[in-house]
Amino acid sequence: GEKVEQHESTLSVREGDSAVINCTYTDTASSYFPWYKQEAGKSLHFVIDIRSNVDRKQSQRLIVLLDKKAKRFSLHITATQPEDSAIYFCAARRNYNQGKLIFGQGTKLSIKP
Amino acid sequence: GPKVLQIPSHQIIDMGQMVTLNCDPVSNHLYFYWYKQILGQQMEFLVNFYNGKVMEKSKLFKDQFSVERPDGSYFTLKIQPTALEDSAVYFCASSLRKSGNTLYFGEGSRLIVV
Repeated sequence: GEKVEQHESTLSVREGDSAVINCTYTDTASSYFPWYKQEAGKSLHFVIDIRSNVDRKQSQRLIVLLDKKAKRFSLHITATQPEDSAIYFCAARRNYNQGKLIFGQGTKLSIKP
Repeated sequence: GPKVLQIPSHQIIDMGQMVTLNCDPVSNHLYFYWYKQILGQQMEFLVNFYNGKVMEKSKLFKDQFSVERPDGSYFTLKIQPTALEDSAVYFCASSLRKSGNTLYFGEGSRLIVV
């Protein structure tokens, strides 16, 4: 079945540095790739997404890159701040006619002062 | 922003009993989802629901699971009977459309089966 693999289970970066979280997917029909953030004990909040018709998208300090050939996408958080500490989940959705998101395992990001 | 409400926030239940988890989705949303998360880790898709019908379900959505949204009220996940491995946090989500739309998640219902 479809799988999304999130390579880093934990990541620690110094405040102000950049953090990169990488994901790969197996289903070549995947066309939509959102990222969600989950703070301790809370729900998931959407942060940014990218569709398969582009290979880069930026929203303020967040950049998502998509490499369809390698079936890989990544989230870059620049100039990290303490409030970026959370678990980040990547996800992928198949083609237009399917609604379910397949999530990666999550990456716990810690920002050190 | 839009909010999805889930009731109860947590519940402890004896194995074999029935439990109903309730979700109040965003008011104009049409697609509804349940996900299961164990130990703060993997979010596993269970089911999605539209227009009164299950659209997709995973193999985690066992025969003991059922979903409904009677008369446009709460979207519910019922587990009957519960098993120990059903212990998890269950997240409800909703979206306006099936594709190209953000899923809004509730705060989760923590279920402990003893």
